[in-house]
Amino acid sequence: QQQVKQSPQSLIVQKGGISIINCAYENTAFDYFPWYQQFPGKGPALLIAIRPDVSEKKEGRFTISFNKSAKQFSLHIMDSQPGDSATYFCAADQGAQKLVFGQGTRLTINP
Amino acid sequence: DAGITQSPRHKVTETGTPVTLRCHQTENHRYMYWYRQDPGHGLRLIHYSYGVKDTDKGEVSDGYSVSRSKTEDFLLTLESATSSQTSVYFCAITDPSSYEQYFGPGTRLTVT
Repeated sequence: QQQVKQSPQSLIVQKGGISIINCAYENTAFDYFPWYQQFPGKGPALLIAIRPDVSEKKEGRFTISFNKSAKQFSLHIMDSQPGDSATYFCAADQGAQKLVFGQGTRLTINP
Repeated sequence: DAGITQSPRHKVTETGTPVTLRCHQTENHRYMYWYRQDPGHGLRLIHYSYGVKDTDKGEVSDGYSVSRSKTEDFLLTLESATSSQTSVYFCAITDPSSYEQYFGPGTRLTVT
């Protein structure tokens, strides 16, 4: 079964807009939630991460919002730029940094 | 790519042949992982290692084996490759100071 469900599968946003990607999980034992950014032909690169004792974390234009009671978390990209066009993955740590990933979201920022 | 190299970067092989992929790290970290990436599935954990000769199975381990005889090297072996193992394979390491996980550049494997 898919332990982390990610949506949407693809997303098109205008330059300067806000990109929002959502993830939901079932296992309340997950204790670390990273987001990865992947460009074609490259490995995933860690973007930002959060632990469940925090409801929001912001790094530059990237923000994670975390709702522990709803078992949901989301990535917000403010002032989206064409260079942000990539595939984004949410993930959850099932222990010892064994990550379980969402299916991925292909983000396209139109200039 | 956080001091991680993978070899080969691309490989085409025939069904039934053995294949070994290599992951090499220069960070001297204990924790290493092998994932496969397929469209619609994200990345899925195949095997992981907590140190030399200390390995365990992930969620999609059938048909794969691993070995770790040195801290810096983690090998993934497909004993008898099948077409369902056509995928992109990523190695990862965890930085013990931050618990952040970093990925290598990947190996694209095609089984014909």
